[in-house]
Amino acid sequence: GAVVSQHPSRVICKSGTSVKIECRSLDFQATTMFWYRQFPKQSLMLMATSNEGSKATYEQGVEKDKFLINHASLTLSTLTVTSAHPEDSSFYICSASAESSYNEQFFGPGTRLTVL
Amino acid sequence: GESVGLHLPTLSVQEGDNSIINCAYSNSASDYFIWYKQESGKGPQFIIDIRSNMDKRQGQRVTVLLNKTVKHLSLQIAATQPGDSAVYFCARYIPTFGRGTSLIVHP
Repeated sequence: GAVVSQHPSRVICKSGTSVKIECRSLDFQATTMFWYRQFPKQSLMLMATSNEGSKATYEQGVEKDKFLINHASLTLSTLTVTSAHPEDSSFYICSASAESSYNEQFFGPGTRLTVL
Repeated sequence: GESVGLHLPTLSVQEGDNSIINCAYSNSASDYFIWYKQESGKGPQFIIDIRSNMDKRQGQRVTVLLNKTVKHLSLQIAATQPGDSAVYFCARYIPTFGRGTSLIVHP
């Protein structure tokens, strides 16, 4: 099956710094990638949808200047949390879908971000 | 607006029992539903999906039922095993995830 990886799996940073999370589709071309945030014991909340080569579409309430998304290639999307604060600590999950199977999403393993 | 919610936050069952996890939705425009399993500290895993032109779909040990009249779907797991312990989410495409039900299987 299709594999999506994320890097890093865990990151701890100081408040005020920026953190970049990578999401890669390993064996297929992902025309669309999605970024989610999940707080403990809560559901996944869609943050943004990105299509390769175009600007990401952010969900209501998600600050695009704080959560920078770049989908520069068909196999890589990055999420940069800028000027991170403790309240940004969360589990960030990406998913990817291919143009040929638009309804199928393949999820990455997630990245645990802890901001001190 | 769209919402996908689950009835119970936790379901405890004995190993070997059948489990039923329920989900309700509010937007009739939804035409595709997916059940995901999420183990602690991991991303969601696809279990099974169903389109609105179907009432039932079966997989290996899992069955999804869709009742469009009452806007309800359920996931049935047969002969539940300890490895089935996880949080289960229903979602529609483009995913709006439900709250999640934590399934606890007691040996």
